[in-house]
Amino acid sequence: QVQLQQWGAGLLKPSETLSLTCAVYGGSFSGYYWSWIRQPPGKGLEWIGEINHSGSTNYNPSLKSRVTISIDTSKNQFSLKLSSVTAADTAVYYCARLKIKQQLVRYYYYMDVWGKGTTVTVSS
Amino acid sequence: SSELTQDPAVSVALGQTVRITCQGDSLRSYYASWYQQKPGQAPVLVIYGKNNRPSGIPDRFSGSSSGNTASLTITGAQAEDEADYYCNSRDSSGTGVFGGGTKLTVL
Repeated sequence: QVQLQQWGAGLLKPSETLSLTCAVYGGSFSGYYWSWIRQPPGKGLEWIGEINHSGSTNYNPSLKSRVTISIDTSKNQFSLKLSSVTAADTAVYYCARLKIKQQLVRYYYYMDVWGKGTTVTVSS
Repeated sequence: SSELTQDPAVSVALGQTVRITCQGDSLRSYYASWYQQKPGQAPVLVIYGKNNRPSGIPDRFSGSSSGNTASLTITGAQAEDEADYYCNSRDSSGTGVFGGGTKLTVL
């Protein structure tokens, strides 16, 4: 059974760079997209972006100028970097496996395996 | 539009049926997926595609779609179904987007 284990610094100062890594255990790494999602305290989920095993990325336009998602297929890991953080970036950050399928004439995207989440606090 | 709209809160009596909806133009082109999130926990996928349940999700959860609206239906709601529910899909440019979430209370 696939499991995602994530880690990274939990306390940052404004203007620093957030860095998180997610490792994939127990399943294939190639053939999927890998996503990052965040949730500010008391708020809803926000999609950050995704990467496939070839390194092709797709980012949330509102974060695109600050976000980099990368992949290390040799380690079955993918990472998130978010630069110039502010208090507004305080959130629980989740990694997830993304599947893309087609049914009839529609595509659908779904995240079937999630990491436990990493709490990141930005404070001076 | 890149937005998905959900009712902020819905309640249901124990054992009754409840429908949680998600509206957005992109749902005419993409199926939604639905996630259940309990306090302090990561989201869990409950419905994906036209109406598919992952292994381990009770069959009281079902999904449907019509026009620009996707729905998650819980038939015979249980106390353990009390949670926040989020829909997710893509916008016209292929960017991922979540609905604002619906807090389900089981009375």
